[in-house]
Amino acid sequence: GAVVSQHPSWVICKSGTSVKIECRSLDFQATTMFWYRQFPKQSLMLMATSNEGSKATYEQGVEKDKFLINHASLTLSTLTVTSAHPEDSSFYICSARDGLRGTGAYNSPLHFGNGTRLTVT
Amino acid sequence: GQQLNQSPQSMFIQEGEDVSMNCTSSSIFNTWLWYKQDPGEGPVLLIALYKAGELTSNGRLTAQFGITRKDSFLNISASIPSDVGIYFCAGQSGGTASKLTFGTGTRLQVTL
Repeated sequence: GAVVSQHPSWVICKSGTSVKIECRSLDFQATTMFWYRQFPKQSLMLMATSNEGSKATYEQGVEKDKFLINHASLTLSTLTVTSAHPEDSSFYICSARDGLRGTGAYNSPLHFGNGTRLTVT
Repeated sequence: GQQLNQSPQSMFIQEGEDVSMNCTSSSIFNTWLWYKQDPGEGPVLLIALYKAGELTSNGRLTAQFGITRKDSFLNISASIPSDVGIYFCAGQSGGTASKLTFGTGTRLQVTL
């Protein structure tokens, strides 16, 4: 099945530093990837949609200058948390759509990475 | 952001029992998905539903896409200890955005 790899799986950083998280689709090409954030015992909340070769689309309330997204190739999207603060500590999960499965490119199921646990001290 | 209402929020069941959970929305979706998430990991796709009224099985799991396109349910038969986890429904509207809206989750615990 489709595999989405996320790296690192966990990271601890000091307040004020930046952290980059990578998301790769290993056996399929993904023109669109999605970044989610999940706080403890809560559901996944969409942060932004990452589009290959163009600017990301951010959800309301998500600061685009703080959460930088780059989707430079069909298999890689990166999320950089800039000037991290303790309130940014969370579980960040990326996902990608396998366009070959499902009934069409736009409603084929999303596959998720294993997440990155970010702790800002 | 918008969330789907999922119930029950949590449940304790005994091994061998059947489980049922559902998800409702005020909006129509073109696709319903069910995911399972284990602690510290990303969600894993269980079942995808593409058509209103569709009933789909995956082993001991059965899910249905509600006729109104505003709800879905997931059944797990003969539960086993490894069924423990959080189950999320997700709705997808389709179109170029095709974002997923997640349910609030159902935490399942199975006792021996």
